[in-house]
Amino acid sequence: KAGVTQTPRYLIKTRGQQVTLSCSPISGHRSVSWYQQTPGQGLQFLFEYFSETQRNKGNFPGRFSGRQFSNSRSEMNVSTLELGDSALYLCASSLNTGSTEAFFGQGTRLTVV
Amino acid sequence: GESVGLHLPTLSVQEGDNSIINCAYSNSASDYFIWYKQESGKGPQFIIDIRSNMDKRQGQRVTVLLNKTVKHLSLQIAATQPGDSAVYFCAENMERNSGGSNYKLTFGKGTLLTVNP
Repeated sequence: KAGVTQTPRYLIKTRGQQVTLSCSPISGHRSVSWYQQTPGQGLQFLFEYFSETQRNKGNFPGRFSGRQFSNSRSEMNVSTLELGDSALYLCASSLNTGSTEAFFGQGTRLTVV
Repeated sequence: GESVGLHLPTLSVQEGDNSIINCAYSNSASDYFIWYKQESGKGPQFIIDIRSNMDKRQGQRVTVLLNKTVKHLSLQIAATQPGDSAVYFCAENMERNSGGSNYKLTFGKGTLLTVNP
C-alpha cells in the first residue's frame, strides 16, 4: 500500500510569508504527527492529530498550527515565517494514537529567505 | 529536563563487523523506546522498539538493549552491511492513561553510521 505522502517536497518562501504543508497518511491510519528536523536541534515534535483533534503539542510558538480532516489527511501551517523556520518538516502516521510504529514521509524541505 | 542524547555522533565500521550505537536518556518515566534509521533524503524508518519493562529485544540482525539502572539504550547491528549506512536515532515516548494523547516522541540527535566495504 502507499506510504505517507507529503507535498510539496521543496518550498522556498520569504520572511513574513505563511506556508501550508500537506500530509496524506497511510490508508487506515488515523494518527498524524508532525516533526521539525534541523541540523542544530534534530527532530522535534510539533503536534499530533487523531480523529481530527489535536491531541498533543510540542514547544513551538503559536505561529505553528495544524489541522486534520475527516479522511485523516493533515495540514500544518506556519505564519509570519522566520529564517529559523528553515527545516525539513516530517509527517508520521500511525494506526492509532500511541502506536509505537510510526511511518514517516520523505518530508517537505522549507527554505525561508 | 526530558531529553534523549547520543554518546557518539559518528561511527565507522567495516562491512561484516557488528555495530553498536548507544543512547542515553534522562526521562525515567518513559514507557518505551524506539530506534529509527534515516537514510539521506528520506524520512526516518522504524527499526525496533522496546518497552520499559524489558531489557532486551531482538529483530532481524538487530538487538536493542535497555539498561534502566544507568538509563542507557543501545542498538546492535549484526554483520553490518553497506546498506546499513545511515543516521540512527533513538526516541522515547511516555504513555498517558487519561485524557490527552500518549504519542509524543522525543528524539536524540542521531549517530551517523558509515560502513566501509
